[in-house]
Order: sequence, then C-alpha cells, then structure tokens
Amino acid sequence: GEDVEQSLFLSVREGDSSVINCTYTDSSSTYLYWYKQEPGAGLQLLTYIFSNMDMKQDQRLTVLLNKKDKHLSLRIADTQTGDSAIYFCAETRSGYSTLTFGKGTMLLVSP
Amino acid sequence: NAGVTQTPKFRILKIGQSMTLQCTQDMNHNYMYWYRQDPGMGLKLIYYSVGAGITDKGEVPNGYNVSRSTTEDFPLRLELAAPSQTSVYFCASKGTEAFFGQGTRLTVV
Repeated sequence: GEDVEQSLFLSVREGDSSVINCTYTDSSSTYLYWYKQEPGAGLQLLTYIFSNMDMKQDQRLTVLLNKKDKHLSLRIADTQTGDSAIYFCAETRSGYSTLTFGKGTMLLVSP
Repeated sequence: NAGVTQTPKFRILKIGQSMTLQCTQDMNHNYMYWYRQDPGMGLKLIYYSVGAGITDKGEVPNGYNVSRSTTEDFPLRLELAAPSQTSVYFCASKGTEAFFGQGTRLTVV
C-alpha cells in the first residue's frame, strides 16, 4: 500500500468541525505535516507535529497523533467556506531526507 | 520574507525543447526538493538535495536533471520536453518546517 494514505473527500457545513484523517506506515516518522492547497496555488504549511507529541493546537486547528495506530488527524473548528481546499498530510522519517505526501483530501464547505 | 521563489510561473514548450525551472530559497535550508503534481495524483518527488553539491533521484527522475552549486539555488532542467511532462512543478525547502514555492505550470505541446 501507499506510505501515507488519506481519504479523498470530505463535505461539511459552515460552522461545523472538520476532521481530516491520515495514516502512515513507518514508525520511524519524525515530523508530520499538514498543508493546504487552494485552486491554482502552491502548498501552504498549516502546522506540523513532532513524533514525540500527542497533540498540537494552533487557533482553529488541532492536530492529534496516535503513534500506536500510526494515525494523524487535523481538526478544523468552526469551518468556514474559505477552508475549502485540498489538504495534504506529509511525513519525514528518521535517517531519510525525503518528504512523503498523501494524495490529499478535498474539503468542501457548504454555506 | 521571500521564502521559496520559483520562476517562471507559466510556460508552454514545444516537444523536444528544453528549459530550466529556477528555484531559490533564502532560509539557509540544506534540504531542497522538486515535485510534480498531476491532477488527482498528489505530489511525486523528482529530485532532491541534502546540501550544496549533493543531489539524488526521487520517484520520477527520468527526463529531468538538477544541480545544487549553492545552498540557495536548486534549478530543474528539462531536456527534450515530452507531453508527459505537462504538469505543475513545485520546489520546496526544509529545515524543521518545509516550505513550497508557488509552482510552475508547464504545458508541452
């Protein structure tokens, strides 16, 4: 299977919370990242978490890391229409130089 | 803060032509990367570099070349452009955080 997997699509209503999930295969992952990509734009770094942390909160964003299950999630509180975009999960591994991405989750926020 | 700067933003090439995509970063990062993004396919790693003078192949290196003569610059060279190289190309650099340029949209006709 893929090294980093994400569900492809998520639809929520404005004001609800969104939870985007990511699973990875390698237990030596050191840093895990979340990026946002709007149409026609580059990848914007939203947040990242080091593998010795369980949770990181930054304003409306909460990242949860379950190392045992190799599961990462991004929760967006009070989701707005401007949050509609593709969200990518990415990892780097101890001893490796590369940054590996999932295929991205398209978040659609309806009014 | 410039971050990662890519040029050009758009380019149309004819089959068989060559070009260089420029990438420069001002964060003194050792790690730099080139990715291509095709619709629905996520990002695929073309080449990467762990420091000046050191480059290595990624997942899809065929048809491309890179060099890293300075910490700041990491150009990507396309020789003999093919329609399969039509894509959006992203350069990135990484310290602890990894930052991306705005991309180059390349069409080969």
